[in-house]
Amino acid sequence: EAGVAQSPRYKIIEKRQSVAFWCNPISGHATLYWYQQILGQGPKLLIQFQNNGVVDDSQLPKDRFSAERLKGVDSTLKIQPAKLEDSAVYLCASSLVEQYSGNTIYFGEGSWLTVV
Amino acid sequence: EDKVVQSPLSLVVHEGDTVTLNCSYEVTNFRSLLWYKQEKKAPTFLFMLTSSGIEKKSGRLSSILDKKELSSILNITATQTGDSAIYLCAVGNTGNQFYFGTGTSLTVIP
Repeated sequence: EAGVAQSPRYKIIEKRQSVAFWCNPISGHATLYWYQQILGQGPKLLIQFQNNGVVDDSQLPKDRFSAERLKGVDSTLKIQPAKLEDSAVYLCASSLVEQYSGNTIYFGEGSWLTVV
Repeated sequence: EDKVVQSPLSLVVHEGDTVTLNCSYEVTNFRSLLWYKQEKKAPTFLFMLTSSGIEKKSGRLSSILDKKELSSILNITATQTGDSAIYLCAVGNTGNQFYFGTGTSLTVIP
């Protein structure tokens, strides 16, 4: 079974520039997440999709971050304009809700962003 | 506010030692507790614990969920240098939302 795919793996941009990350979840997983992980911290949820609808985007800095999942499969996360504090790993994850057992979240390899 | 707290924040041990990592949570509509190992890449899944599966074991690693105390422990016996990593605890609710702790950084010295 293919895992969660993300690209690009690494990106270096200057502040005020824009960047976009792409994610393809595990086939059949309806729920897709974008997490931001700053060095030394745990993952912080930016946005959660259920199919192509947004479940939770309360911690997404909407003045500069945007995300979409138009067809309920792939997703893109965009940052414009980037700030130095956006330097982090952006983790995409997906989950299959199983009705009678627990739910597990699977991560992609992450997109490492450095803003200089 | 839903939250997950891990302790200790960091730990340094010698090869062969046994370690216990702690995770406590306050999450509404609890469904599962997950443990992940993170080296210099994305987190990799270790265990999932639920009300119907409160104890898991895989080799030298084991984990127990205490639903009464709202906590879990991850034990690693006979530690090896390859166990050096950040161990993350996450709690999922019935809405398929996951809350992460800040992780415990484990360093195993030869």
